[in-house]
Amino acid sequence: GEDVEQSLFLSVREGDSSVINCTYTDSSSTYLYWYKQEPGAGLQLLTYIFSNMDMKQDQRLTVLLNKKDKHLSLRIADTQTGDSAIYFCAERRNFGNEKLTFGTGTRLTIIP
Amino acid sequence: DTAVSQTPKYLVTQMGNDKSIKCEQNLGHDTMYWYKQDSKKFLKIMFSYNNKELIINETVPNRFSPKSPDKAHLNLHINSLELGDSAVYFCASSPRDRTSYEQYFGPGTRLTVT
Repeated sequence: GEDVEQSLFLSVREGDSSVINCTYTDSSSTYLYWYKQEPGAGLQLLTYIFSNMDMKQDQRLTVLLNKKDKHLSLRIADTQTGDSAIYFCAERRNFGNEKLTFGTGTRLTIIP
Repeated sequence: DTAVSQTPKYLVTQMGNDKSIKCEQNLGHDTMYWYKQDSKKFLKIMFSYNNKELIINETVPNRFSPKSPDKAHLNLHINSLELGDSAVYFCASSPRDRTSYEQYFGPGTRLTVT
């Protein structure tokens, strides 16, 4: 993702919270998404947030959006071994433009 | 099962060959996409069709030609395959009746060109 940046790796102990960060550059982004990719599998939509929101919670997942800093984060509470995967953030710019621009992906490793 | 499905899951072929990957969705979505994921997991859109009409065509060699026989299917045909075409290709679909436009992905087709 030339305009969407993520850290490549994150290691977290089982039971701790994981925080995956994403920065984007286009202030016209309308929706921002988090996808999970397990080894050998496709991308699974986890959650999304509209740009006029600053927080969204869904069970163990909390999305925070700082539109001023163009910063998006995904917090996974009580991280489990099944959370091991690559996490991608993606942005959609402007209504009517259905193209998603994906970040580089963050590989989350769980330490037992 | 309601889903986005792709065939084949794996495709190994030699340089210069022509191959096709098929995608079908039974979610009733109007829009379908093809993405390419390289070896570094970088994911980039290639094409998008809305109700059989091409709406996104990124800078992709014209050896790649998408074909949408109906709104539930979007196939990808690749001519004269090159080593650099080796990647995982994902099909996706999204509904147009929701402004969130969330996209649902197929399991991917791993293409290896030798």
